[in-house]
Amino acid sequence: GQQVMQIPQYQHVQEGEDFTTYCNSSTTLSNIQWYKQRPGGHPVFLIQLVKSGEVKKQKRLTFQFGEAKKNSSLHITATQTTDVGTYFCAGKISSGSARQLTFGSGTQLTVLP
Amino acid sequence: DSGVTQTPKHLITATGQRVTLRCSPRSGDLSVYWYQQSLDQGLQFLIQYYNGEERAKGNILERFSAQQFPDLHSELNLSSLELGDSALYFCASSVDGTSYEQYFGPGTRLTVT
Repeated sequence: GQQVMQIPQYQHVQEGEDFTTYCNSSTTLSNIQWYKQRPGGHPVFLIQLVKSGEVKKQKRLTFQFGEAKKNSSLHITATQTTDVGTYFCAGKISSGSARQLTFGSGTQLTVLP
Repeated sequence: DSGVTQTPKHLITATGQRVTLRCSPRSGDLSVYWYQQSLDQGLQFLIQYYNGEERAKGNILERFSAQQFPDLHSELNLSSLELGDSALYFCASSVDGTSYEQYFGPGTRLTVT
C-alpha cells in the first residue's frame, strides 16, 4: 500500500546547527504537508506544498517538494531549543480512491543547548 | 489553540470495556479525522467523515467504530478493549475532505489496564 517513509527517525543537534528531515513516497503525491508536534502536544500544521519543485520558506525553515513529487524535505537553519519536537510529513496520493493523508513516521529532533 | 476540542483528556479503563471519545471540529469545518498514536509511533489514520458521511477508512479495527452527527461533532467508539489499544487518540478537522490542512485537537490519552 501507499507508504511515506521519513528519515532520520531521531536527530540530536547542538543549538545553532542545521537540521534536515527527508520524506519519500513510493508513489506520486498530489501534495505534501508538514506538521510539528511538540513533546506532550498535538500535531500542528506548518505548510503545504503542491507544485513540482516548489520551495517555501518560513523564517529559518525551508520546505522543498521534489520535481517528481515523490519526495520532500524540511531544513531548519541554526536550530533553537524551541525547534524541539517531532516533524511529520504527510502526503496525499495523486490517483486512486484513497483520500486520506498518509503520515510519515516522523523525525524526533532534540536540540542541545 | 486549534479550535478542535476533544473529551475526555484522559481515560483509564480495564480490558474488555467499551469507551467513547468525543470530538468537536473547528467552526466551519465539515470533515473530521481520527488518528491513533501509540508510544513513540507515528500517526495511524483510522477513519474520516465528511458532513456526516464516512469518506475514507484506514487501519481501523472492527472493534472500533465512529460516526459524525448532524451538528458535525464526532464520536469514536472503542469496544472489547485490549492492552494494546492504549494510545493517544487524536481528532483533526479540515474545511473539506480533500486538499486542506488538518487542525488537530489536544487528544485523548487512553490507558487500558
